[in-house]
Amino acid sequence: EVQLLESGGGLVQPGGSLRLSCAVSGFTFSSDAMSWVRQAPGKGLEWVSGISGSGDSTYYADSVRGRFTISRDNSKSTLYLQIKSLRAEDTAVYYCAKGGLHYSHFGMDVWGQGTTVIVSS
Amino acid sequence: EIVLTQSPGTLSLSPGERATLSCRASQNVNSDYLAWYQQNPGQAPRLLIYGASSRATGIPDRFSGSGSGTDFTLTISRLEPEDFAVYYCQQYGSSPFTFGPGTKVDIK
Repeated sequence: EVQLLESGGGLVQPGGSLRLSCAVSGFTFSSDAMSWVRQAPGKGLEWVSGISGSGDSTYYADSVRGRFTISRDNSKSTLYLQIKSLRAEDTAVYYCAKGGLHYSHFGMDVWGQGTTVIVSS
Repeated sequence: EIVLTQSPGTLSLSPGERATLSCRASQNVNSDYLAWYQQNPGQAPRLLIYGASSRATGIPDRFSGSGSGTDFTLTISRLEPEDFAVYYCQQYGSSPFTFGPGTKVDIK
């Protein structure tokens, strides 16, 4: 069974940092691009960042470029999102998802359950 | 950046009725890399349609997608109680891989 399990969310002060993780099982992790998507309370989905299967290519939404860094460790089947200089508007549920980039025709076909980031003093 | 616009914002229908949801892109979506997702409250999104018209694994055939270029449609032929949810389109043909604002299908 394909599973994605996010962790690392929590309450953080404005200006702080967090690293989110997404542990993957059930498929060949290195073969697939991965994405991070967030959803602020009561709002819609926002694509945040993506990375190729090899990790050589990374992509960001303009709203997070320069503050967020996506990476992956294919030996550990784990996806990461390093977030710094956190702002109140970064408060959201952060989902990791398999696919969702132009490398695959299949869209985001598997999603984790999400991890919650709250930015507040 | 490709901006996706979804209409209507809310669609109020009864079980058994047909739902037609629209997604329009500000420029052509490369290779028709357009997906539709369903989200219920408190749950992660679920992929319904990819490549504009292909149903994802396990998705009932009452869901269908159509369109190309800049105009795309999700049709639910006969609404079941579990179909009342929010639906998002996403283009994954060019970065940034944007979502539309969503259409809420609620019970009339």
